Amino acid sequence: EPEVTQTPSHQVTQMGQEVILRCVPISNHLYFYWYRQILGQKVEFLVSFYNNEISEKSEIFDDQFSVERPDGSNFTLKIRSTKLEDSAMYFCASSARGEYGNQPQHFGDGTRLSIL
Amino acid sequence: AQSVAQPEDQVNVAEGNPLTVKCTYSVSGNPYLFWYVQYPNRGLQFLLKYITGDNLVKGSYGFEAEFNKSQTSFHLKKPSALVSDSALYFCAVRLRNSGNTPLVFGKGTRLSVIA
Repeated sequence: EPEVTQTPSHQVTQMGQEVILRCVPISNHLYFYWYRQILGQKVEFLVSFYNNEISEKSEIFDDQFSVERPDGSNFTLKIRSTKLEDSAMYFCASSARGEYGNQPQHFGDGTRLSIL
Repeated sequence: AQSVAQPEDQVNVAEGNPLTVKCTYSVSGNPYLFWYVQYPNRGLQFLLKYITGDNLVKGSYGFEAEFNKSQTSFHLKKPSALVSDSALYFCAVRLRNSGNTPLVFGKGTRLSVIA
C-alpha cells in the first residue's frame, strides 16, 4: 500500500537555525498538508497546499514558515529561524481528489524536531 | 468554528470485551468525520470515515463507528478488544466543501487493552 514518507525521522537543531523537513506524498495525491503535535497535546493543522499554492494556513504558520513543492514528488516545510517552542512532531499528509473533500488524509510517520 | 471533544483521556478494557471510545463534534455545516489511530513513534493511521448514508460505518481491524446527528456524536466501537488495539485514538472532523479543508482533531484517547 502506498505511503507518505518523511525524512529525517529526528532532527536536532540549534535555536535560530533554519530547518527543512521533507515529505514524499502518495504519488497520485493532489492535496498536501503539514500538521504538528507538541508532546502530549493534540494534532494541530499548519498549512494545506494544492496546485502549487497554499490553500489555507493556521495562525501557527507565521512568516517563519514556508512550504514548497520543488519537484513532482517532494513537499517541504521550512522553518527559517527556529524557536524552542517549535519543538514538536511534524506530520505530512496527502489526500486524493474527492467529492467535496471526502477523501481521507494519509499521514507519514513524522519528523521529531528538537530545538536546543 | 469546528471542534471535537474526546471526553476520556484514557479507556481501559479487558481483552475480549467490547470497547467504546467517545467523540462529539461541533460544526456549522455538514461534517465529514474520521477516526485515526496512532501507535508509538508512528504517524496517524486512517481507520474509518463517515461521509453520508448509513449511520454505522465499518473500518479497518474490526472497528466501527456510529454517527448520531442529534447527539453530534461519532463514537468508535469494537465488539471484542485485542491487546494489539492498545494505542492513541483521534477523532477528527472536516467541513464538507469542494476543497481541501484541514482536519480538526480531538485531543486523543489512550486505549489500553489488558490481557
